[in-house]
Amino acid sequence: SAVISQKPSRDICQRGTSLTIQCQVDSQVTMMFWYRQQPGQSLTLIATANQGSEATYESGFVIDKFPISRPNLTFSTLTVSNMSPEDSSIYLCSVDRVNTEAFFGQGTRLTVV
Amino acid sequence: GENVEQHPSTLSVQEGDSAVIKCTYSDSASNYFPWYKQELGKGPQLIIDIRSNVGEKKDQRIAVTLNKTAKHFSLHITETQPEDSAVYFCAAKYSGAGSYQLTFGKGTKLSVIP
Repeated sequence: SAVISQKPSRDICQRGTSLTIQCQVDSQVTMMFWYRQQPGQSLTLIATANQGSEATYESGFVIDKFPISRPNLTFSTLTVSNMSPEDSSIYLCSVDRVNTEAFFGQGTRLTVV
Repeated sequence: GENVEQHPSTLSVQEGDSAVIKCTYSDSASNYFPWYKQELGKGPQLIIDIRSNVGEKKDQRIAVTLNKTAKHFSLHITETQPEDSAVYFCAAKYSGAGSYQLTFGKGTKLSVIP
């Protein structure tokens, strides 16, 4: 298994500001993923972060809104930029290896007011 | 791409009864099917998974079955307890070189009534 630490666990932010969420893994992993989970909904993949290259974004998500960094094999950040109330969600970091299980962090509960 | 349908969306059972949650998938290339339990305020926790080379897997009170021909898989929880109350998500993916993305079902909110 993998231990994933996500910070912050929750935050309340003003609209128009940005929040950076950190994800730290206790072992080296090739792929890290960022998901959004809107209230009462399932998980939607925002982007895949591979160390040393640009993140790959899913349809409906763009780099200007959700810039991602992946400076090494154990760490990644997701920034939610120019926030609006519609960005209020749980943001989850996940790690995966080929032919193994995917594990999730505890999530960051974001409320935009 | 893959599409995963999950039913029911809500499920209430009496403590001690069994609970069954069903999922179907669309991509015949998918070969890995995990189930996650998400308690309020927490991230999804992997509780059991199955790969396409087996038809059933058990872990104490939890079991998962897979029918590759029909492209559906199910989670079975026996002797349910109040602490089983949570939202359960099924997922599917092709697990192989160059492919990592999980596709999730919409979730089932399970309530176990004491």
